[in-house]
Amino acid sequence: EDQVTQSPEALRLQEGESSSLNCSYTVSGLRGLFWYRQDPGKGPEFLFTLYSAGEEKEKERLKATLTKKESFLHITAPKPEDSATYLCAVKGNNFNKFYFGSGTKLNVKP
Amino acid sequence: DAGVTQSPTHLIKTRGQQVTLRCSPKSGHDTVSWYQQALGQGPQFIFQYYEEEERQRGNFPDRFSGHQFPNYSSELNVNALLLGDSALYLCASSSTDRPGQEQYFGPGTRLTVT
Repeated sequence: EDQVTQSPEALRLQEGESSSLNCSYTVSGLRGLFWYRQDPGKGPEFLFTLYSAGEEKEKERLKATLTKKESFLHITAPKPEDSATYLCAVKGNNFNKFYFGSGTKLNVKP
Repeated sequence: DAGVTQSPTHLIKTRGQQVTLRCSPKSGHDTVSWYQQALGQGPQFIFQYYEEEERQRGNFPDRFSGHQFPNYSSELNVNALLLGDSALYLCASSSTDRPGQEQYFGPGTRLTVT
């Protein structure tokens, strides 16, 4: 069955301290890998879609990359307002279903 | 451009009762998916509706049912509520016209079963 594993579960950074979040996936025929940001008690906010290995997308301090087995969300010089849970999801040949990981909870201290 | 809206925001029910949650998709979207998110977990897929039909279903019992209306809005119904049904219920909409069919989420309905 399609599966998504995110690591670490939680990450504490100082403001300005760059790092990366990992999303490992197993899927039958990747049709898209998606990154979302979720603030407490709110719905996930769409960030990026990646379709094929080697693809990269950027938005402000965030950069998402994709290989055949995993995706990374790089956060450059984070600010406290980047604190949130970051979710990764994949869509495979069963293209009507999204499989989500459990997320990485990011806390950026000023 | 209105995003995905859900109602109600919060709901408290008693075990054994029934509940109906509502969702209006983002303008231009024709597909609605429902998810259950327990605390500290990622969203779990319940089912998806397109053209007023259930197109795909996750590993949820028949107590969970849904409906999509001609204006693309949708309802999620849960019968015979259990304590374990307490969660954040998320609605997501997408468009079959978009290549990736990325899903946009509403703010969710927090359901508490006592």
